[in-house]
Amino acid sequence: DAGVTQSPTHLIKTRGQQVTLRCSPKSGHDTVSWYQQALGQGPQFIFQYYEEEERQRGNFPDRFSGHQFPNYSSELNVNALLLGDSALYLCASSLVWANTEAFFGQGTRLTVV
Amino acid sequence: QKEVEQNSGPLSVPEGAIASLNCTYSDRGSQSFFWYRQYSGKSPELIMSIYSNGDKEDGRFTAQLNKASQYVSLLIRDSQPSDSATYLCAVYPEGSGYSTLTFGKGTMLLVSP
Repeated sequence: DAGVTQSPTHLIKTRGQQVTLRCSPKSGHDTVSWYQQALGQGPQFIFQYYEEEERQRGNFPDRFSGHQFPNYSSELNVNALLLGDSALYLCASSLVWANTEAFFGQGTRLTVV
Repeated sequence: QKEVEQNSGPLSVPEGAIASLNCTYSDRGSQSFFWYRQYSGKSPELIMSIYSNGDKEDGRFTAQLNKASQYVSLLIRDSQPSDSATYLCAVYPEGSGYSTLTFGKGTMLLVSP
């Protein structure tokens, strides 16, 4: 049973560029949530996708957008990258409404230079 | 703002000792509580979940929940150097609907041989 998978694992981008990160949820899960984790901080919620729609959003600008596909996989897009976007981006999969365990992928380390 | 608070540490314990990690949360209606372990540069790994008041044991780990005090803790018995990591407390706030976790900033645990 495959767990949550994310790609790529590391990425270096230049300020102003755009980036797309990908996530495949754990088998049987229908919900994908994205988190940003800066060094020394806990994960901060970006947004959540269920049934191909954004269901909840944290305090992140519109430069952050996403998508969920019919197979439940998801993408996170960040436009006009800033140095401050450098962080570990985490994808978590879960079951909607269950308030039960969420499992994380290995993360994508994004460095903006 | 629904918050989850943890001491940042580091909490230093000798090998074989009991490590006690604590977490408080602001949303009195929260129902689901989790502890994640995160090694440096890696993604969070779920180690314990607890949903009702009292203790829940799993191997060397015991989670304790006191909803009246809005307090959840994690005890690690017979601590090993391999337990050295950051421990994240996470909560599903009441009324979050589409379930989204709120994380504390984490407590760093250092177990010395």
